Amino acid sequence: GAGVSQTPSNKVTEKGKYVELRCDPISGHTALYWYRQSLGQGPEFLIYFQGTGAADDSGLPNDRFFAVRPEGSVSTLKIQRTERGDSAVYLCASSSGTGDIGELFFGEGSRLTVL
Amino acid sequence: GENVEQHPSTLSVQEGDSAVIKCTYSDSASNYFPWYKQELGKRPQLIIDIRSNVGEKKDQRIAVTLNKTAKHFSLHITETQPEDSAVYFCAARGGGFKTIFGAGTRLFVKA
Repeated sequence: GAGVSQTPSNKVTEKGKYVELRCDPISGHTALYWYRQSLGQGPEFLIYFQGTGAADDSGLPNDRFFAVRPEGSVSTLKIQRTERGDSAVYLCASSSGTGDIGELFFGEGSRLTVL
Repeated sequence: GENVEQHPSTLSVQEGDSAVIKCTYSDSASNYFPWYKQELGKRPQLIIDIRSNVGEKKDQRIAVTLNKTAKHFSLHITETQPEDSAVYFCAARGGGFKTIFGAGTRLFVKA
């Protein structure tokens, strides 16, 4: 596609439920990042994929968070047993990933609200 | 762990004045320093970047400087306009391609 696409744009769920957030990166981009942005804060790094593998998952806050990218394109961020503190905008970004990785192209984000 | 500090958190300037935002980073392996602009409800978008082998870069009204020894980098916006009002984020990327963002600076340009 022309840009990074994220779905859903908005998700309201109840505490304890399971949530999946999807990211479709720019075609051909091998690097994919997930960030979490709370109101008034900068994007907080969660995980980075190079191809199908998670090259760095050090930002995932706990084992309720998991992300996959099985075919090296679309990625899904999965959150189990959601808590109110998980409420934030989840941003996905992709980059060409070849050689010297440059600009990150962000999606519009998925706004998660946990009631 | 890696950390990026950004100051000030809020900056208000008169139209036509200059604005300066400063950042420091902790990871000495960082080699790429982008700046993003985020308008309300929108995605962050790259406005300028600088690599570690360069000390300064300019693009029209915006410029970035980098001091690797001090681990400081700054964004300078000259002749500010109301449409420059937004949140600006600095970021630093280390050798492992992990990009860490600062907390942001909310810039208000008063007409």
